Amino acid sequence: KQEVTQIPAALSVPEGENLVLNCSFTDSAIYNLQWFRQDPGKGLTSLLLIQSSQREQTSGRLNASLDKSSGRSTLYIAASQPGDSATYLCAVRHTGTASKLTFGTGTRLQVTL
Amino acid sequence: GAGVSQSPSNKVTEKGKDVELRCDPISGHTALYWYRQSLGQGLEFLIYFQGNSAPDKSGLPSDRFSAERTGGSVSTLTIQRTQQEDSAVYLCASKGMATEDTQYFGPGTRLTVL
Repeated sequence: KQEVTQIPAALSVPEGENLVLNCSFTDSAIYNLQWFRQDPGKGLTSLLLIQSSQREQTSGRLNASLDKSSGRSTLYIAASQPGDSATYLCAVRHTGTASKLTFGTGTRLQVTL
Repeated sequence: GAGVSQSPSNKVTEKGKDVELRCDPISGHTALYWYRQSLGQGLEFLIYFQGNSAPDKSGLPSDRFSAERTGGSVSTLTIQRTQQEDSAVYLCASKGMATEDTQYFGPGTRLTVL
């Protein structure tokens, strides 16, 4: 059974800092890995999706990497802003299944002024 | 265009009552998913619909849970004889036909069972 772990569970940083969120998964037979953002009381917003054949994806200040063989992904946020405060979730999609996602428990990020 | 919508946004019910949660996916999306997010736990998959195929119900926690998707669009998740442990946020997502498409999530329904 696939297990997805995110470290740290919570993180508080001052504005402007660069930071890294970690995600690890136990079964490397994945189709892709996705990073989501969840704001309180709202649904999930997809940030970056990395296919299993890719090593990284970038969008603006966000960069996500994937090392499938070691079962790890990182989300790098550059020059953090208070508006980045949210819970960040990683999710893996398995190969040969109905594309259902297995989620980590998330990292709650607080960016302070 | 419009995103995934869910109703109600909040539902408070008494233990033992039945509840229905509704999801309106993005128009044209063929795949629809239900997930549950309990306090202190991650999102867990419940059920998946793809076109006219039989749904994947492998994530439903008990036979008190059921879901249907009428006309390939709107979906209803029904929980019978609710229990306090059913309290959670129920999220719906939809996806287009391409295999690499991302899932788009609705805002969720927060269910509280007293």
